[in-house]
Amino acid sequence: NAGVTQTPKFQVLKTGQSMTLQCAQDMNHEYMSWYRQDPGMGLRLIHYSVGAGITDQGEVPNGYNVSRSTTEDFPLRLLSAAPSQTSVYFCASSYVSRGLNTEAFFGQGTRLTVV
Amino acid sequence: GDSVTQMEGPVTLSEEAFLTINCTYTATGYPSLFWYVQYPGEGLQLLLKATKADDKGSNKGFEATYRKETTSFHLEKGSVQVSDSAVYFCALSDWGDSSYKLIFGSGTRLLVRP
Repeated sequence: NAGVTQTPKFQVLKTGQSMTLQCAQDMNHEYMSWYRQDPGMGLRLIHYSVGAGITDQGEVPNGYNVSRSTTEDFPLRLLSAAPSQTSVYFCASSYVSRGLNTEAFFGQGTRLTVV
Repeated sequence: GDSVTQMEGPVTLSEEAFLTINCTYTATGYPSLFWYVQYPGEGLQLLLKATKADDKGSNKGFEATYRKETTSFHLEKGSVQVSDSAVYFCALSDWGDSSYKLIFGSGTRLLVRP
């Protein structure tokens, strides 16, 4: 049972480059989300999705794009990397139904450095 | 909008000391509340949860009670161990405007010394 799989684990980008962080889950969860974790800032929500074809912005969406073409995958795209996007990125998924909230499962994280 | 506020760390305790990490929240609906733990170099893991007012979540000696009147969900443990050293995150999930969100506090680092 793989759970939530993020790739890559580490990445170094040059300013202006683009890349996609991959996230896949095999639990048939409707809800998937991306967070960034910075020292002293906790986890900040970037984008989230409540199902295939549905995405929405979180707290810090600028500079990032997402799409959700399947239930399993929720890639995060950095369009033009900036040093301010140096962070650890976590993908999470959960089953959710109105009136029933369950735990979120997290990937191992992607440590991104933009130079 | 919804938010979660945690006490700032780091919290440094000696082994077998009593632990309290404060967490308060604001929410427009009827949120569920969670505590997650992050060990060094790892992702977050669920520690405990409570889905309605007055519920008590518990796991591995940790407890937290959902207090709607004070909008709080403080984490407690009677006797901490060195292995409890980690970062602890309070979180809430809620429906707002027909969309579901999971929101985290800033995290509190706990360091337990032998």
